[in-house]
Amino acid sequence: AAGVIQSPRHLIKEKRETATLKCYPIPRHDTVYWYQQGPGQDPQFLISFYEKMQSDKGSIPDRFSAQQFSDYHSELNMSSLELGDSALYFCASSHGTGGYNEQFFGPGTRLTVL
Amino acid sequence: QKEVEQDPGPLSVPEGAIVSLNCTYSNSAFQYFMWYRQYSRKGPELLMYTYSSGNKEDGRFTAQVDKSSKYISLFIRDSQPSDSATYLCAMSVQRTYKYIFGTGTRLKVLA
Repeated sequence: AAGVIQSPRHLIKEKRETATLKCYPIPRHDTVYWYQQGPGQDPQFLISFYEKMQSDKGSIPDRFSAQQFSDYHSELNMSSLELGDSALYFCASSHGTGGYNEQFFGPGTRLTVL
Repeated sequence: QKEVEQDPGPLSVPEGAIVSLNCTYSNSAFQYFMWYRQYSRKGPELLMYTYSSGNKEDGRFTAQVDKSSKYISLFIRDSQPSDSATYLCAMSVQRTYKYIFGTGTRLKVLA
């Protein structure tokens, strides 16, 4: 079965650089979520999109922005990178709205900021 | 104080043991309760989800929710070395989108 695809899997950047993470949801899933997981930490919700509109916002820094495109893939843009941005970034997708909708997680993008 | 509290472990048990993993929470609005398993450097994988209080069983796994105590548990019977992973509880409020995760409990099942 198709899963959530994230690219790149690994990314190394310098401080103050920009990074773009991509997420391709499971086919027919219309909702995408972004989470950040620091070393030894729980995943922290950043932002989500439903049908290309922002649906919820968590602890996403102003330096980060995201969007969902017409083909439902999503991109997380991170500017002025800081050392503390080094983390595993997960994308998850789900289908439908309201009540419980299982979120399927991708393998993550490991971002290292030097 | 975090909305969801989970003992980070690590928890080491012998093969075949019954494992009990727990989370407590403070937000009484949580309606959906999930358990995820995460292997090292992999994305979380859903094991169980429950809605409302009570027990739910799936193979060797049983999820239990006690809303009055704001306490959830995951039991693993006949634990196997392949169960060695980090187990994350997650919760959500009905009709919102984000999950709130616990910190995860690292489990090691010794052969």
